[in-house]
Amino acid sequence: GNSVTQMEGPVTLSEEAFLTINCTYTATGYPSLFWYVQYPGEGLQLLLKATKADDKGSNKGFEATYRKETTSFHLEKGSVQVSDSAVYFCALRQTGGGNKLTFGTGTQLKVEL
Amino acid sequence: EAGVTQFPSHSVIEKGQTVTLRCDPISGHDNLYWYRRVMGKEIKFLLHFVKESKQDESGMPNNRFLAERTGGTYSTLKVQPAELEDSGVYFCASSLRQGFDEQFFGPGTRLTVL
Repeated sequence: GNSVTQMEGPVTLSEEAFLTINCTYTATGYPSLFWYVQYPGEGLQLLLKATKADDKGSNKGFEATYRKETTSFHLEKGSVQVSDSAVYFCALRQTGGGNKLTFGTGTQLKVEL
Repeated sequence: EAGVTQFPSHSVIEKGQTVTLRCDPISGHDNLYWYRRVMGKEIKFLLHFVKESKQDESGMPNNRFLAERTGGTYSTLKVQPAELEDSGVYFCASSLRQGFDEQFFGPGTRLTVL
C-alpha cells in the first residue's frame, strides 16, 4: 500500500537558518504530493503541492521538488522565521484512488531567535 | 467565508462511554472526510462522504465507529463504546469536488479516553 516517511522531529533551528525536512514515499503510479502545515491551535493548511515528476511546488518561501527517481519530496526554505514554527506533514494522493490523502508522521519545527 | 469547524475542541471520557464528534464543512462542499492522528503518529484516513453517501469507508477501524452525514451538510462521528486506543486527534476536511480539489481541514477534536 501507499506510505509516506518523513524525518523525525522535533527540529530546532535558529532564525534565518536553512531548513530541510526529508520526505520519501511509496506508491504505485504517479501520485500527487503535498506538504501541509499545522500552526499551533489551528487546522492543517495546504502549504504546497506537485502533481507530476520534476514539478516544483512553492509557497511562502518554501519549496519542494517531486523527484520520481528517488521517490522524494523534500521541503526546503532558505531562511526560516520564528513564525514558521509548526508541524509539517508530507502527504500523497494516489492517482485514481479517490481523494483520500496518505500522510507521514509529521515533523515539528521550532525556530528560535 | 467560514472554514471547516469541529466540535468539541477537546473531549475527555472514560473507557466504555460514548462520544459524538461533529464537523461542519465549508458551505457548498459536497465532499467531507474524516481523518485521525493517534499519539503523534501519521494522520490516517477514516472515511469520505460525497453529499450524504459514504464514498469510501475503508479506513474505519471497527464497528464501534459510526459516521453519518444526514442531509449532506454536517457530519457526526460516534464512538461507542470508546476504548483507550481511540484517543487521538480527529480531523475533518472538506472539498468542493473530488480529484484535484484542495481539502480544507478543521482544527481537529482532541479525544482522550481514560
